[in-house]
Amino acid sequence: QVQLVQSGAEVKKPGTSVKVSCKASGFHFASYGFSWVRQAPGHGLEWMGWVSAYNGNTNYTPRLQGRVTMTTDTSTSTAYLELRSLKSDDTAVYFCARDAPRDQWPIRGGFDPWGQGTRVTVSS
Amino acid sequence: EIVLTQSPATLSLSPGERATLSCRASQSVSYYLAWYRQKPGQAPRLLIYDASNRATGIPARFSGSGSGTDFTLTISSLEPEDFAVYYCQQRSSWPGTFGQGTKVEIK
Repeated sequence: QVQLVQSGAEVKKPGTSVKVSCKASGFHFASYGFSWVRQAPGHGLEWMGWVSAYNGNTNYTPRLQGRVTMTTDTSTSTAYLELRSLKSDDTAVYFCARDAPRDQWPIRGGFDPWGQGTRVTVSS
Repeated sequence: EIVLTQSPATLSLSPGERATLSCRASQSVSYYLAWYRQKPGQAPRLLIYDASNRATGIPARFSGSGSGTDFTLTISSLEPEDFAVYYCQQRSSWPGTFGQGTKVEIK
């Protein structure tokens, strides 16, 4: 079936980096893009950015620009999120979600499916 | 950046009752709006896309309506699994913002 399976929980110290993976199955990976969304404890959803497995293009939210890198590996059908210079307010659950392959707004459809989430805790 | 405002923040209802959730955009998003349900401890799930289209596998008790700046998600008869948080998301212009969520709780 169509699914995204993410890597396990991480505990990191401030100033370090984390890399979260999102492995796809059940569909043609290279025909899609992938968005990353995070949710701090007790808060709503924050879109972080998007990466295309179709052409490698990326688009990041300005508040994370310079600290975030999103990539894909079509040979393993896996999307990756790397976040650097971690701070305590980066503590959140990080979700990947299947998205449109091209960064051409407006975009029809929605994020479907989502990965199960990866909890990242940043603490000294 | 388009701001989405959801109301009410919390909706207290009983199983079997009808739920009406609102999402208002700070400027027109045409019909490029999606709705998601997030159960506790789980990832969100797409319910409605393009304002009124049910996603694959979503039961008919869920319906979406609206265009421009005002949108509604209606759940015709609440099932136990529907007590959750609901988010709207606009897909009209970058960045694709989410509303702050509406919690549907058991009365």
